[in-house]
Amino acid sequence: AQSVTQLGSHVSVSEGALVLLRCNYSSSVPPYLFWYVQYPNQGLQLLLKYTSAATLVKGINGFEAEFKKSETSFHLTKPSAHMSDAAEYFCAVSEKPGAQKLVFGQGTRLTINP
Amino acid sequence: DSGVTQTPKHLITATGQRVTLRCSPRSGDLSVYWYQQSLDQGLQFLIQYYNGEERAKGNILERFSAQQFPDLHSELNLSSLELGDSALYFCASSAEPGLASADTQYFGPGTRLTVL
Repeated sequence: AQSVTQLGSHVSVSEGALVLLRCNYSSSVPPYLFWYVQYPNQGLQLLLKYTSAATLVKGINGFEAEFKKSETSFHLTKPSAHMSDAAEYFCAVSEKPGAQKLVFGQGTRLTINP
Repeated sequence: DSGVTQTPKHLITATGQRVTLRCSPRSGDLSVYWYQQSLDQGLQFLIQYYNGEERAKGNILERFSAQQFPDLHSELNLSSLELGDSALYFCASSAEPGLASADTQYFGPGTRLTVL
């Protein structure tokens, strides 16, 4: 069975600082990995995805993530935080993209301090 | 805007009642997924339909059922509601495998269900 662990339910950074949100996965087959963002009172928006192509994936709003098979990780980073990045971030895994359920982590709430 | 629509946005009802949540997928998407987001369980997959047929089941209670209609919209029926069913219910859709963006699920804005 697949699972996702997001380390840190809350992360707080200063505006302009590096954002690092951690995600580790467990999968018996090559995984497909996703990061979604949820702004208050909104649905989930795809930030980026890894589907067995390049291991460094660039997404929207300046975010990127690196797939590291040896560490079973898919951490999300952004070099410089902006106030508008405050939201909840979810890492998810599936066995097959598009045709299978997503298994989500518990989410990380990102707070940006001015 | 993901192109996935859900109605209603909010629903308040009493224990023991039955409600129906509606989802319209993105134009052309054949797969519809339902997820429940609650404070204690997080985001959990409930059920998937593909072109009208049930494709996969997750942690869906027997009191819950879903269907996908010929026009591809889907409904999630929740009956004998309990306080613990209060949650945000999301619908997502994806394109047919092999098509562009088939590897992505697009989420609707959700229906917030409150059971009193």
